[in-house]
Amino acid sequence: IAGITQAPTSQILAAGRRMTLRCTQDMRHNAMYWYRQDLGLGLRLIHYSNTAGTTGKGEVPDGYSVSRANTDDFPLTLASAVPSQTSVYFCASSQREGLPQFFGPGTRLTVL
Amino acid sequence: TQLLEQSPQFLSIQEGENLTVYCNSSSVFSSLQWYRQEPGEGPVLLVTVVTGGEVKKLKRLTFQFGDARKDSSLHITAAQPGDTGLYLCAGAGGGSNYKLTFGKGTLLTVNP
Repeated sequence: IAGITQAPTSQILAAGRRMTLRCTQDMRHNAMYWYRQDLGLGLRLIHYSNTAGTTGKGEVPDGYSVSRANTDDFPLTLASAVPSQTSVYFCASSQREGLPQFFGPGTRLTVL
Repeated sequence: TQLLEQSPQFLSIQEGENLTVYCNSSSVFSSLQWYRQEPGEGPVLLVTVVTGGEVKKLKRLTFQFGDARKDSSLHITAAQPGDTGLYLCAGAGGGSNYKLTFGKGTLLTVNP
């Protein structure tokens, strides 16, 4: 079934540790996105990629990095996790920027 | 920065009632999308409206895009418990900025 997969489903992480959240889509979408969702703050864009090989900063990029080596994969890395990065992280993709987005099931991350 | 204000933030109603949720902005959008998110899952696209004044119906859900393309509404007729969820609107900017701007959502609870 076509769609987006995210891994892990959930994770508890000690502060200061490095963590990579994985995201893979099989729809051959050009654009991919990472959001975090926090109560009262809604969905906030962390980083995005309009096409393989390019990335851009969203609304809340500090402490996060991304890469887009190919069309299908868009990993999000926390170099040194902090408690304020505790959140639910969603990966999404769209045929191109601005078109409807398809979301993954999310990764619930807790940083202690 | 383009902002989308959704109202109400929370809505709790009885099965069979009608309701309307609103999505407002001072900015003009080239299109507006509505998503529904159920607990523990990612948002799922319901509809996209593109033309000012456009009305789209999806079973008991009616979506309208404002004439000036700055606002939108979602009306649900005879709500059912299965309609429970977080309703998000997202606007795609015009010109060179096609990234989506998400509202914070309306959390709807339909009680049996």
